[in-house]
Amino acid sequence: GAVVSQHPSRVICKSGTSVKIECRSLDFQATTMFWYRQFPKQSLMLMATSNEGSKATYEQGVEKDKFLINHASLTLSTLTVTSAHPEDSSFYICSARGGTGRETQYFGPGTRLLVL
Amino acid sequence: LAKTTQPISMDSYEGQEVNITCSHNNIATNDYITWYQQFPSQGPRFIIQGYKTKVTNEVASLFIPADRKSSTLSLPRVSLSDTAVYYCLVVGYNQGGKLIFGQGTELSVKP
Repeated sequence: GAVVSQHPSRVICKSGTSVKIECRSLDFQATTMFWYRQFPKQSLMLMATSNEGSKATYEQGVEKDKFLINHASLTLSTLTVTSAHPEDSSFYICSARGGTGRETQYFGPGTRLLVL
Repeated sequence: LAKTTQPISMDSYEGQEVNITCSHNNIATNDYITWYQQFPSQGPRFIIQGYKTKVTNEVASLFIPADRKSSTLSLPRVSLSDTAVYYCLVVGYNQGGKLIFGQGTELSVKP
């Protein structure tokens, strides 16, 4: 299957700081990228959908000013958690798909964020 | 997007065939079904997807009856390394590939 990478794999930061997570599709052009959050023992929750060159679409209840998403190219999307607080500590996972229709969505390995 | 229902957990033994059934009564005409596997602290891994009848790849088979209101993921001869959470998802053809995850099935394979 296609390869999606994330960086960093884990990050620890102080409360109030901002953290940027990168998601890259390594061997295909991703027209659409998605960002998910997963708390322990829970399922993945879709946060937002981003298409290259356009503004991200956020799911209900997700603060767009807190979780800034940039999809500047067909292979890179970034998620910035602004003014992070301990309740933002979670496992953040991105995914990417190329094309439209029934294209398979491939997931990155995830980023573990711990806010102290 | 059609809601899915699958067992919360299943137990099996090495070498057995495991069948996980998922219900999706409200699946729309153009929706398709996809399954993912997730290990702890990792992103989900694509297993298989299909629209109707049977699909088989090197990892699993997917059985979809004619009414498409359910689907069954079949894992042949499981091993300990198949212990994971398995998610059944219905994908709307015109929804831009959006995936809404349910709680999944936690499969535990014992020696």
